[in-house]
Amino acid sequence: AQSVSQHNHHVILSEAASLELGCNYSYGGTVNLFWYVQYPGQHLQLLLKYFSGDPLVKGIKGFEAEFIKSKFSFNLRKPSVQWSDTAEYFCAVNADSSASKIIFGSGTRLSIRP
Amino acid sequence: DAGVIQSPRHEVTEMGQEVTLRCKPISGHDYLFWYRQTMMRGLELLIYFNNNVPIDDSGMPEDRFSAKMPNASFSTLKIQPSEPRDSAVYFCASSLVAREQYFGPGTRLTVL
Repeated sequence: AQSVSQHNHHVILSEAASLELGCNYSYGGTVNLFWYVQYPGQHLQLLLKYFSGDPLVKGIKGFEAEFIKSKFSFNLRKPSVQWSDTAEYFCAVNADSSASKIIFGSGTRLSIRP
Repeated sequence: DAGVIQSPRHEVTEMGQEVTLRCKPISGHDYLFWYRQTMMRGLELLIYFNNNVPIDDSGMPEDRFSAKMPNASFSTLKIQPSEPRDSAVYFCASSLVAREQYFGPGTRLTVL
């Protein structure tokens, strides 16, 4: 069965530190990849997406992610985090281009110390 | 576009009562999803529709839960009878085929 793994459950960083959140998926075919962010008390919002083309994807708020097909990975990065980045981050995969069901990872909670 | 609209935003009810959650997807989207989020279980897909037809309801926890989509602009998720363990935030999302999903603000349900 398709699955998405986010290995870090809770990450704590200081402001200005660099961020990398891991995401691995289990499907071997063509995939669409997403990162969503959920700020405290809010709904999930799309940070960035990959469908095809350049494997380095730029998103909103300075986030980027790199699709490495050989590693089945789609890690999220940000060079310098801010206190306002405190949120939960979800990696997601759609492995069926004929449908829209997305498999979500369990999420990584990011806490930024001011 | 106003985005995905959900109502009510908060619902407090007593055990045994019927609860109906409502969702209006983004106009033109042909997929609609219902999710439940709790601290213990995380984000769970309950059911999704394509062109108003239920495609996969394997995530619906039990017969007390039902969902309908009578037209392209409206869906309901009903719980009857409700139980305290149903307390959660229920999200509705919509999308075009194989594209990103857009989530509504959620309904926070508390069953006493």
